[in-house]
Order: sequence, then structure tokens, then C-alpha cells
Amino acid sequence: DTGVSQNPRHKITKRGQNVTFRCDPISEHNRLYWYRQTLGQGPEFLTYFQNEAQLEKSRLLSDRFSAERPKGSFSTLEIQRTEQGDSAMYLCASSPGRGRFSNQPQHFGDGTRLSIL
Amino acid sequence: AQTVTQSQPEMSVQEAETVTLSCTYDTSESDYYLFWYKQPPSRQMILVIRQEAYKQQNATENRFSVNFQKAAKSFSLKISDSQLGDAAMYFCAYRSARLGDNYGQNFVFGPGTRLSVLP
Repeated sequence: DTGVSQNPRHKITKRGQNVTFRCDPISEHNRLYWYRQTLGQGPEFLTYFQNEAQLEKSRLLSDRFSAERPKGSFSTLEIQRTEQGDSAMYLCASSPGRGRFSNQPQHFGDGTRLSIL
Repeated sequence: AQTVTQSQPEMSVQEAETVTLSCTYDTSESDYYLFWYKQPPSRQMILVIRQEAYKQQNATENRFSVNFQKAAKSFSLKISDSQLGDAAMYFCAYRSARLGDNYGQNFVFGPGTRLSVLP
């Protein structure tokens, strides 16, 4: 079990630029989640994938945000035209899917901290 | 929509003592899961303990135990024999037990409680 891997660990960019983050889930997990966490707060759900299908998106995920999981393995989260309010930690989590694994907890990565100058 | 409340932004405990972190939640569902996650500074979130709502028995995991009061929608975490390594942010989280792939099964997190352990 290599855990959930996220890259980069920290991204600093100027307002208006586009950024992309990558998440590699635990290999046998078919569910993948993205969360956003601001300082001193709990994570807020952004979006969820079951294999390659994006099945749910939070209203927090504006048109500037897009997430993909093209082959049902790794996922990318892109933010276009970044704004100051996008500064946060972006967490990825994965979990097993159906059946007896349906009550399994999510395993989190270390996150990508985004800082907008 | 479900909500999770943690009314204690910060708590402190003396090493080797016991501390209880509070969590309340609001839901109209009858079947769900509750979790406590720990997030040390600059480190990833890890699971501390979980509780299935259909189970009356409170979950226990070594020095960690919960007091689950379903009617009151309360889910507190007790840490016994506190250690310096317990210092972290603690998040209470709710997850629906509804089945179906189109339902995200995402967690709803509380705002967290920062626990300090004093030597």
C-alpha cells in the first residue's frame, strides 16, 4: 500500500494563471475524491469519481474548475484563471468501491497547497 | 443537507490525562457512518476511529473511544492517556450509508478542534 500520492506539494502562481494538480490513488481503489481545505477549516467536498466517471460535483466547483480521471486511475484537477480565493490546500482521497468495502474510510493524500500571489 | 458541528475550536490536555472532543451533526437519514480523523501539522489526514450508526456499541480503538448518542446526534471522541503525538487537528466527519454509485459517499467534515498536549 503506497498510499495516495499528490503532486505538486506546493504551487505558487500569479492570479489569472492556470494550474493543474495530480492525484494518484491507492491502486485497487476505484473511488476518488477531491476536497478543498482552507486554513483552520475542515475539508469541503469538490467532486467524486467512480472509476473514470465523474458522478458528483459540488456547487463549490465553479466553471473555472475541471477534474478528470481519464483511465480510472490517476486524476487531475485544473483551475483556470486563478483568483485569490482559490488559495487553499487541495486534498485527494480514495476508497474501495462496492460491497463489503462500501463502508471503508477514505485514505487521504498529503495535499497540494496552492498560493495565489 | 447534512452538517457537522465541532463547538470547541481549541482544546488542551496534560500528558497522560484524558480529554473529550465534542461533535454534533444534523441529518434526516437513519443509516450513516461517523468518523474521527486526525491531521497533524503539515501531515496527511489519518483515520482515528469510525462508528456505524446501526451499531449501539461504542467503537473503541486502543486509547481512543467514542460516545455515540444517536438520538442526540452526538459523537464525542475520548482520548485516554494523552501523548505528545496526539497533538493535531481533529475532524469529525459524517458519511451517508445510502447505496448507489451516483451518490458521492463524500464526507461532510466539521470545522475541527485543535488539540494541544502539554508535557
